Amino acid sequence: DAGVTQSPTHLIKTRGQQVTLRCSPKSGHDTVSWYQQALGQGPQFIFQYYEEEERQRGNFPDRFSGHQFPNYSSELNVNALLLGDSALYLCASSFLTSGRVSYEQYFGPGTRLTVT
Amino acid sequence: EDQVTQSPEALRLQEGESSSLNCSYTVSGLRGLFWYRQDPGKGPEFLFTLYSAGEEKEKERLKATLTKKESFLHITAPKPEDSATYLCAPIGGSQGNLIFGKGTKLSVKP
Repeated sequence: DAGVTQSPTHLIKTRGQQVTLRCSPKSGHDTVSWYQQALGQGPQFIFQYYEEEERQRGNFPDRFSGHQFPNYSSELNVNALLLGDSALYLCASSFLTSGRVSYEQYFGPGTRLTVT
Repeated sequence: EDQVTQSPEALRLQEGESSSLNCSYTVSGLRGLFWYRQDPGKGPEFLFTLYSAGEEKEKERLKATLTKKESFLHITAPKPEDSATYLCAPIGGSQGNLIFGKGTKLSVKP
């Protein structure tokens, strides 16, 4: 059973550039959530996608955007990178049943983004 | 505002020395709570889900309990391989988001 996968593993970008991170959910899951985890902190919720729509969003600026594809995979895009965007970006998948998202979220290994 | 506090921030134990980690929270519309384990540079690994006060879950040397205001993760006779950061995440808010604490970094020395 394939778990949540993310690519790339590591990424180094320059301030002002744009970046795209990718996530494939666990088999059978249809909902993808993205989190940002700064060093020494817990993950912070960015947004969640279901049926190719942004379903809910945390307290992040519009520079953070996303997309979900028909096969349930997802992308996270960050524009105009700042030094403070350096973090581990985590993708988590879950599934929607009977109109309610199953709260159990399974995480991928993350993408380590460094902005210089 | 929703808040989650985990204590202690760091805990050093000798192998076999049992202890407890605490997660206290103020979360609107609480629907349950997750515990995760996270190894350095990796994604959180799911441990337990607790949905109601009084509920307990066990897995090997770990036992999680839940009250209305806090949750405990009890570690019995820990081994060095239990060393990791343990994160709690109440489920709350208007749409059921996970709200993570900063975690407790556990080190178990042989």
